[in-house]
Amino acid sequence: DQQVKQNSPSLSVQEGRISILNCDYTNSMFDYFLWYKKYPAEGPTFLISISSIKDKNEDGRFTVFLNKSAKHLSLHIVPSQPGDSAVYFCAASERGYGGSQGNLIFGKGTKLSVKP
Amino acid sequence: EPEVTQTPSHQVTQMGQEVILRCVPISNHLYFYWYRQILGQKVEFLVSFYNNEISEKSEIFDDQFSVERPDGSNFTLKIRSTKLEDSAMYFCASTRTASNYGYTFGSGTRLTVV
Repeated sequence: DQQVKQNSPSLSVQEGRISILNCDYTNSMFDYFLWYKKYPAEGPTFLISISSIKDKNEDGRFTVFLNKSAKHLSLHIVPSQPGDSAVYFCAASERGYGGSQGNLIFGKGTKLSVKP
Repeated sequence: EPEVTQTPSHQVTQMGQEVILRCVPISNHLYFYWYRQILGQKVEFLVSFYNNEISEKSEIFDDQFSVERPDGSNFTLKIRSTKLEDSAMYFCASTRTASNYGYTFGSGTRLTVV
């Protein structure tokens, strides 16, 4: 049962354009969402997160949008750079009231290729 | 920038053998995790550890698995009797608080069971 789904295994974008990576989830108890980037032979690197009380969070070129009613989130990268080429994982967690620790449920990832 | 260090980077072992994967979390972090990624599949949670005990574990983390923080710096994952299906990348992660504000992952240990 995939609680976190990234339906696009790959995405190719021209340098300078916008990259939009999508993620859907099924568990309505998830209240915290994260995006990680992973290069080959490295561990996932945290990029950006969003709490379920927000619908948008921005950090430089990266913006995450959350649509709770649709159980959908997306990561926008503007402008895309060749160095952004990596696998991007969406992850979700049930932190619960009081910030109790929850494990991360990952999607399968989307491989982004940014072409010069 | 502080890093989570994992050793070895690649471990080959025979089926049925015990393996210990080692991790040195970031020094002021309090919460520790093991995740794994079987080739071509998603990253999966194995176990979380806080205050010298397991706080949560997944169905994957059965009696063949154990974790330990033997001293103030190391965090180990032991697989008692490895199976072919244990072949995967194993990632250690740590975080300072319980806020899930982005774990720091290590580079992983590739475990190959033959």
